[in-house]
Formats: sequence, structure tokens, C-alpha cells
Amino acid sequence: AQTVTQSQPEMSVQEAETVTLSCTYDTSESDYYLFWYKQPPSRQMILVIRQEAYKQQNATENRFSVNFQKAAKSFSLKISDSQLGDAAMYFCAYRADRGSTLGRLYFGRGTQLTVWP
Amino acid sequence: DGGITQSPKYLFRKEGQNVTLSCEQNLNHDAMYWYRQDPGQGLRLIYYSQIVNDFQKGDIAEGYSVSREKKESFPLTVTSAQKNPTAFYLCASSIRDDRVDQPQHFGDGTRLSIL
Repeated sequence: AQTVTQSQPEMSVQEAETVTLSCTYDTSESDYYLFWYKQPPSRQMILVIRQEAYKQQNATENRFSVNFQKAAKSFSLKISDSQLGDAAMYFCAYRADRGSTLGRLYFGRGTQLTVWP
Repeated sequence: DGGITQSPKYLFRKEGQNVTLSCEQNLNHDAMYWYRQDPGQGLRLIYYSQIVNDFQKGDIAEGYSVSREKKESFPLTVTSAQKNPTAFYLCASSIRDDRVDQPQHFGDGTRLSIL
């Protein structure tokens, strides 16, 4: 089964600074998608960014960008110019593009991000 | 506005009681999912359905049951066989299971506790 590992249970950052959240995954597939979801205190799951494994270019969404290293099976999230509203639990997730696990999302255990004013 | 509605927001279960969590979506999505969230555990898949009248077990299906009689609805029953039901439950949907580029959309969740 695919596993997703987030090795940082908690992280903190000063407002306006940059922080990077780590994620690694284990798979034998060559085609798949990776996602970062944000869960604020309201507990609603919000998609932050997605990355296709066959694309070498790292995805970017405004202040959020990823560093995708396919060979290393690493998918880190960088948040630039951190804002108080970025404080949340962040989940990394993997989704297979084929095979018996097609469509299923596998989540890491999450990283709790605190933003200090 | 399209979205996923979960109800109730909070639910309490007595010993030996079955309870049902509601999940309705008006996004015209084929695939629907139920996740359980425990502190420090991330989200774990309970059941999923790729199409009406079809569903498959996820990683932690024991003590749960589902039905998918309508495209819009995917209720989850927590049976008395589930000995540790206290958790936060999230329902999600996506266009189709094979459109893996499309994200899953989530409801606001139901918090289930034992009385």
C-alpha cells in the first residue's frame, strides 16, 4: 500500500517569513498526483496545490509552491510571505493514476503550522 | 452554490446503538468517500463508492456500513460493532474515480462522540 510520511508534526513561522513543510511518499507507480490540503480550525479541508508526477515543473499557486523531487519521492510545500490565516493543519496526499488503488487518496498524518505575529 | 453537506455537525451515540451520518452532494459527482480523522492519524478511508449502487471497503471498514442508492447521497452507519467510534468523520466527492487529476471536495464534517 502507498504510504505518505510527514515527518514534522508541528512547525512555526513568523508572519511574512517563509516556511517549508516536508512530505515523502512510497509508491511503485510512475504516474500519480500529489496534493497539499489545508485544514484550519473550522476543520474544513481546502485544496492548496496539486502536482502531476509526469510534469517536471513545480506547481505554484500565489504564495504556495512545491519542490517535487520524483526520484527522491519528495513533495515539500513552501509558503512565502506567511500570513496569520495560513495557520492550519496541512496534509500531504497521494493519488494513484492507475491500478487497483486508482482514485484513492492516501494522506500523511499532517503538520500543524503556527504563524506568529 | 454546489457543495457537500454533512449532518449533523455533532452526534452522540449510546452503547449498543447504531447511528447514521448523512452526506449529500449537489456537484453531480460520481465518486464519494468517507474518511475518519483521529488526532495524529491523518485521514483514513472507511468506504468509497465509484457509482450508484456500488461501493468498496477502505482501510478501516469494520464496524461501518454504507449505501449508495442515489448519486447525491452516501450515508454512513456506525454500528454497535465499532467499539471506538469517537472521531471526526469527513465525507468527500470527486467527478469520477478515474479523473485522478481532479481533487476531492470535502464536507464540513461530523463529530461523533460516545455518551
